[in-house]
Amino acid sequence: TQLLEQSPQFLSIQEGENLTVYCNSSSVFSSLQWYRQEPGEGPVLLVTVVTGGEVKKLKRLTFQFGDARKDSSLHITAAQPGDTGLYLCAGAPGNQFYFGTGTSLTVIP
Amino acid sequence: GAGVSQSPRYKVAKRGQDVALRCDPISGHVSLFWYQQALGQGPEFLTYFQNEAQLDKSGLPSDRFFAERPEGSVSTLKIQRTQQEDSAVYLCASSLAVSGINNEQFFGPGTRLTVL
Repeated sequence: TQLLEQSPQFLSIQEGENLTVYCNSSSVFSSLQWYRQEPGEGPVLLVTVVTGGEVKKLKRLTFQFGDARKDSSLHITAAQPGDTGLYLCAGAPGNQFYFGTGTSLTVIP
Repeated sequence: GAGVSQSPRYKVAKRGQDVALRCDPISGHVSLFWYQQALGQGPEFLTYFQNEAQLDKSGLPSDRFFAERPEGSVSTLKIQRTQQEDSAVYLCASSLAVSGINNEQFFGPGTRLTVL
């Protein structure tokens, strides 16, 4: 059992569609991060959410931290081919850092 | 460049060989992390350094895995007597902060290890 479960695992959509990726855990996190990773590269930090219920927007990406700080979501509006990649949530409930299981997104032109 | 670099980018080893993977973190970054990533999965924590001190090695899968950061800068991950299940991408990340856990980590491109 993974500490951070993401869904869906794979997502293939047409350009212009909207999508939501979920990150769930039974543990409480002081903060959660979202990363995007492209093939052959390391993950790159997109955002850190800290406060329960917090919503952060990054252009067409909207991130939300659950009220209980156990889950988070990433919503992409009007997806573009450049959004293609592996999306990872991550956090540290204690002293060790955990990544989620990952969501592989493909946006078809 | 000023980012995290790793070498080699690709390594093919015969089962039983020893390998050494190098990580050059961003200059001045205190924290350094090693992760193992299977294809299409999220990275899994291996070990964490604060300067030259290895504060957490609980993620190392076996005693064949060894990491060091003797001068608090460059780090090497060594895998002895490689097995096929060691095939993965090994990622290194560094962070400016002392704890690094909840701060931004900057990742290198990884080393893809294939054990035949």
